[in-house]
Amino acid sequence: EVQLVESGGGLVKPGGSLRLSCAASGFTFSSYSMNWVRQAPGKGLEWVSSISSSSSYIYYADSVKGRFTISRDNAKNSLYLQMNSLRAEDTAVYYCARDSGNYVAFDIWGQGTMVTVSS
Amino acid sequence: DIQMTQSPSSLSASVGDRVTITCRASQSISSYLNWYQQKPGKAPKLLIYAASSLQSGVPSRFSGSGSGTDFTLTISSLQPEDFATYYCQQSYSTPTITFGQGTRLEIK
Repeated sequence: EVQLVESGGGLVKPGGSLRLSCAASGFTFSSYSMNWVRQAPGKGLEWVSSISSSSSYIYYADSVKGRFTISRDNAKNSLYLQMNSLRAEDTAVYYCARDSGNYVAFDIWGQGTMVTVSS
Repeated sequence: DIQMTQSPSSLSASVGDRVTITCRASQSISSYLNWYQQKPGKAPKLLIYAASSLQSGVPSRFSGSGSGTDFTLTISSLQPEDFATYYCQQSYSTPTITFGQGTRLEIK
């Protein structure tokens, strides 16, 4: 079964750090670009970051640039998001999502992991 | 950045109804438009990619159309499981991807 499973969310104080992980299974992880998308409570979807299959190309939304770092380990079929200098507005469910390769449509999503930034 | 505006923001409909949701881009995005369905507490699900291509496994009552700046998602005959929130997403300005604000489809 094709699957993405996120972990690493939790409660963190403003200014703190957190590292999210996304474990992939059921497909050739190293062949796909991957993304992080977040959703604040009661709000819509916001693209956060993307990384190409070989990590050659990495992009960030302006809202997280300089604070978040995306990475991947193709040998471990895993995607990561290192989040530093966290702010209250980073509070959201964070999803990892696979880029299908067709029109940058995200065809596989994880179940999400909640990040709460609060003192 | 390309802004995506969906209308309506919410709508009420009945089982069996034909429903259309509109998504408008702030500039031309050709056919780089995807549609997702999200149910409460769940991850989004890809329905339509490239404006009109049906994702594998998605029922044929879902269809998409449009190009340039104006797009529509149509559900031909609403089923109980279709009540959810729908999002459009542009991928023209990759890597900066943007979503519409969502359309909540409720039971009348």
